Amino acid sequence: NAGVTQTPKFQVLKTGQSMTLQCAQDMNHNSMYWYRQDPGMGLRLIYYSASEGTTDKGEVPNGYNVSRLNKREFSLRLESAAPSQTSVYFCASSGSTVNTEAFFGQGTRLTVV
Amino acid sequence: GDSVTQMEGPVTLSEEAFLTINCTYTATGYPSLFWYVQYPGEGLQLLLKATKADDKGSNKGFEATYRKETTSFHLEKGSVQVSDSAVYFCALTPVNTGFQKLVFGTGTRLLVSP
Repeated sequence: NAGVTQTPKFQVLKTGQSMTLQCAQDMNHNSMYWYRQDPGMGLRLIYYSASEGTTDKGEVPNGYNVSRLNKREFSLRLESAAPSQTSVYFCASSGSTVNTEAFFGQGTRLTVV
Repeated sequence: GDSVTQMEGPVTLSEEAFLTINCTYTATGYPSLFWYVQYPGEGLQLLLKATKADDKGSNKGFEATYRKETTSFHLEKGSVQVSDSAVYFCALTPVNTGFQKLVFGTGTRLLVSP
């Protein structure tokens, strides 16, 4: 049972380069999320998709774009990476009600130099 | 907006000691409250949750009670083990979001020594 799968696990980018972080879930969840984790700041929501075909900005969306490719997949794109985007990125998914559990991937550690 | 405040870590304990990690929140209405745990090199896992005032969530020996009057959801365990060493996140889901849009605290690292 794979759950939420993120790729890659590690990445180093040069300032100005672009990349896409991939996320897929096999739990038939409607909702998917991208968070970033920074020391002393916990997890902050970048973008989310409440259901297939919809995406919305979270707390820290600047510098990112997302695509909900289908019900399973939700990608995060950095068009022009900046050192401030050095972070650990987590994808998560959940059912459609408030009290259901959110499941997280193992994270992508991104360093922008 | 809604927010969660956790005690700063790290919390360093010896095995079998009593654990308390404080968490308070600011939110309108009655949010759902959660504790997530992150073991080294892994993603977050749900540890326990409570969805209404006075509810007690429990799992793996950990407990937390939803206290509306003090807007708190403190995590406790009577006897910690080395395997409990991890980062613990308190979180809430604002009311009326319709899905699991979590607001996290900054996390508290727990280190348990033998």
